[in-house]
Amino acid sequence: GAVVSQHPSRVICKSGTSVKIECRSLDFQATTMFWYRQFPKQSLMLMATSNEGSKATYEQGVEKDKFLINHASLTLSTLTVTSAHPEDSSFYICSARDGRGLSPLHFGNGTRLTVT
Amino acid sequence: AQSVSQHNHHVILSEAASLELGCNYSYGGTVNLFWYVQYPGQHLQLLLKYFSGDPLVKGIKGFEAEFIKSKFSFNLRKPSVQWSDTAEYFCAVTSGGSGNTGKLIFGQGTTLQVKP
Repeated sequence: GAVVSQHPSRVICKSGTSVKIECRSLDFQATTMFWYRQFPKQSLMLMATSNEGSKATYEQGVEKDKFLINHASLTLSTLTVTSAHPEDSSFYICSARDGRGLSPLHFGNGTRLTVT
Repeated sequence: AQSVSQHNHHVILSEAASLELGCNYSYGGTVNLFWYVQYPGQHLQLLLKYFSGDPLVKGIKGFEAEFIKSKFSFNLRKPSVQWSDTAEYFCAVTSGGSGNTGKLIFGQGTTLQVKP
């Protein structure tokens, strides 16, 4: 079945540094990928929609200059958390669909980011 | 704006007990509805989905859900749970039909703990 690979699974960084998270679709082409954020004991919140070859669409309240999204190919989207702060510590999850209209999303395993 | 509410945050059951997890959504138009499961340490997996047609949908592992449009509900059920069903369960909704963007709105999640 369709698989989405997310890397790294865990990352610890110091405040002020940047962290890049990769999301790859392994056996299908993902024209659209989504980035979610999950706080402890809370639901997944959509951050942005990443479209191959065009700018990402950010949800209200999400800082696009802080959370840089690049979708340079049909199998890879990256999320870069720039100048990370402790409040950015969270669980980040990507998902992708293979572009066939109503096909369900496939989720990556998520990345646990801890900013010290 | 769309929203999803899951009534039960933490459910504890004994094996063989019946399960029903509540999910209500708010959206006036056509919707697509999903239930996802996240086993400990694993990624989100699709349990079942509703797009149209028979409002009683059957998913994997013996789960089913019923879409009741008049109640804006999509409750998840399983007649007899197993210890291996211990996981986090998320209800999600997205706009349906031509308005489908693939952007999922998630409920808060329900932690199910099944005691052997």
